[in-house]
Amino acid sequence: EPEVTQTPSHQVTQMGQEVILRCVPISNHLYFYWYRQILGQKVEFLVSFYNNEISEKSEIFDDQFSVERPDGSNFTLKIRSTKLEDSAMYFCASSLDRGWYGYTFGSGTRLTVV
Amino acid sequence: AQTVTQSQPEMSVQEAETVTLSCTYDTSESDYYLFWYKQPPSRQMILVIRQEAYKQQNATENRFSVNFQKAAKSFSLKISDSQLGDAAMYFCAYSRTTGANSKLTFGKGITLSVRP
Repeated sequence: EPEVTQTPSHQVTQMGQEVILRCVPISNHLYFYWYRQILGQKVEFLVSFYNNEISEKSEIFDDQFSVERPDGSNFTLKIRSTKLEDSAMYFCASSLDRGWYGYTFGSGTRLTVV
Repeated sequence: AQTVTQSQPEMSVQEAETVTLSCTYDTSESDYYLFWYKQPPSRQMILVIRQEAYKQQNATENRFSVNFQKAAKSFSLKISDSQLGDAAMYFCAYSRTTGANSKLTFGKGITLSVRP
């Protein structure tokens, strides 16, 4: 069964450093998403991406965040200057359509900012 | 804005018994999708079952079924013949059917434990 692949599985970074979280969505999917989950809390939407541009973003997705699909296969989330409160599990997801067939999630990247 | 509410933070069930997890939501849309996702300790998000609001018939996937009450905006998940592997966090989620994309809006989740 096709998978969404996320790397790394765990990243530790110093506060103020830039991090890039990487995702390889399912190859024929058209919609891409990033979500985050602070430990013990609910999963929150960050951003959606379709047709090579951001289609929606949440209030969390401020100027410190950016997304790219640089080569038609990877989908990256960059955090320019990490803060302690960015520590969370970050999930990439993709879907073929607007969601009826479900969203396939990656296994997540645990980001720890120290 | 759409909201999803899971008011029970934890539930416990005896192995082989049936358990129902509750979820309510709020929306002004007439058509939308509803989902239940399972998150085991590995933190992977796994789709359990989905329902389109346009369809009256409740979705069923093996031991998992839903009770969808559109007027009450209720979407509960029933797990029959509970197994130890069902122990996980369960999230109810909503998405629109229209618009350029359909982000998922999640509830806070419920932790289900299964007693042997």
